[in-house]
Amino acid sequence: NAGVTQTPKFQVLKTGQSMTLQCAQDMNHEYMSWYRQDPGMGLRLIHYSVGAGITDQGEVPNGYNVSRSTTEDFPLRLLSAAPSQTSVYFCASNHGGVGGELFFGEGSRLTVL
Amino acid sequence: KNQVEQSPQSLIILEGKNCTLQCNYTVSPFSNLRWYKQDTGRGPVSLTIMTFSENTKSNGRYTATLDADTKQSSLHITASQLSDSASYICVVSSGTYKYIFGTGTRLKVLA
Repeated sequence: NAGVTQTPKFQVLKTGQSMTLQCAQDMNHEYMSWYRQDPGMGLRLIHYSVGAGITDQGEVPNGYNVSRSTTEDFPLRLLSAAPSQTSVYFCASNHGGVGGELFFGEGSRLTVL
Repeated sequence: KNQVEQSPQSLIILEGKNCTLQCNYTVSPFSNLRWYKQDTGRGPVSLTIMTFSENTKSNGRYTATLDADTKQSSLHITASQLSDSASYICVVSSGTYKYIFGTGTRLKVLA
């Protein structure tokens, strides 16, 4: 089972460049989300989606855009990368309901110079 | 403010020894509490879930406890192995789709 797949695993950008982190899940989960993980700060929610066509902001949404055109895919776009966006990004999904188990991807390490 | 605090931040033990990780939370409403294990360079994976009515649950060498009155949980690892070296994250769910993350405890097991 593939589960949650993230690409790329590593990326280096220059300040001002744009890029998209891809996330796909094959479990037919309705909930998908993006987190960033920084040393000493734990996982922080960027954006989430509760179904195709529905997205909402999390705790730290500035500088990021998302869309959810299909159940399977939830890409995260950085429009103009900044050094403060250097982080490890995780995509997660779950089937829905109260307190469902989150299934995480393997992470994407982004460095912005 | 909803918060999840974990202690210690980091821990080093010798292989074969036991250890206990702590999680204190102030989250309302409370739905459930999960412990996740995150290996270096990997995504977190759920180890166990604790609901309001559960006091203790075991998953192999991992035993989680929950005291809903004091809002504390612990994760006890018995007879540690090198493969237990990882970060352990406490996550409290509050209603649908709301998760509050602790900052994690980094455990290193030495041979």
